[in-house]
Amino acid sequence: GAGVSQSPRYKVAKRGQDVALRCDPISGHVSLFWYQQALGQGPEFLTYFQNEAQLDKSGLPSDRFFAERPEGSVSTLKIQRTQQEDSAVYLCASSLRWATEAFFGQGTRLTVV
Amino acid sequence: QQQVKQSPQSLIVQKGGIPIINCAYENTAFDYFPWYQQFPGKGPALLIAIRPDVSEKKEGRFTISFNKSAKQFSLHIMDSQPGDSATYFCAAKGGGSQGNLIFGKGTKLSVKP
Repeated sequence: GAGVSQSPRYKVAKRGQDVALRCDPISGHVSLFWYQQALGQGPEFLTYFQNEAQLDKSGLPSDRFFAERPEGSVSTLKIQRTQQEDSAVYLCASSLRWATEAFFGQGTRLTVV
Repeated sequence: QQQVKQSPQSLIVQKGGIPIINCAYENTAFDYFPWYQQFPGKGPALLIAIRPDVSEKKEGRFTISFNKSAKQFSLHIMDSQPGDSATYFCAAKGGGSQGNLIFGKGTKLSVKP
C-alpha cells in the first residue's frame, strides 16, 4: 500500500485480556518501529526491527509486551494480561533503512477497561 | 531523564503570525533532528528535518534554526494558517546503530482566523 497501515484502529479490552496489534509497513522498508503515545504526550519508543531481527526492545515496559516480525514485513505487537496503564495509542513506523525518514501509521487506540 | 525538552506546551497565534517552538537536547551523539506534525486521530507526519552540520533549513513556510553549541533547535512557521493548527513534536535520533526517535512532549498550536 501507499502508507503504513495499522489494525485495528480502535481496540477495547477488558483488564487481563490479551491483545494483538498489527502493522503493515510500506513495501520494501527494512526498518520498523513501535511507539506508545499516551494522551497528550509524545510518542515513546518501544522496539525496533531490521528485517526480521529485533535489534532493540529496550523500550518495552514489561515482559507482558512482545513484538515479532517473522518474515521481515508485517509486525505484530502483543500485550498479555492488559492493564489500565496500557491504555494508549500504539504507533508503528517504517523506514527504508535505519537512518532515513520514518513514516508513521495512524495508530491503534487501545483502551483497557 | 527527559532527553528532548520542548516548549511551549501550547501556543495561540493569529493568522499570518509566526509561531516559534523550541527544543533543547542533552545528548551530543544525536545527529538527526526532525519535526513532526500530528492532527487528532492521525499519526505523526514528518514536516522538516535537519542535521547538525547546518544552522538553518527552510522548506516552504517551515524553517528550522539549529544552534549546535547551545544544543537547541526551533521551528518557525511563516504566515501561519488555521490549517496549521495541530500538535507539533520535535525529535532527535542517535548516531550509530540506534535508529529510534526520541520525542519532545509536543506543542499544541492553535492559529486563529
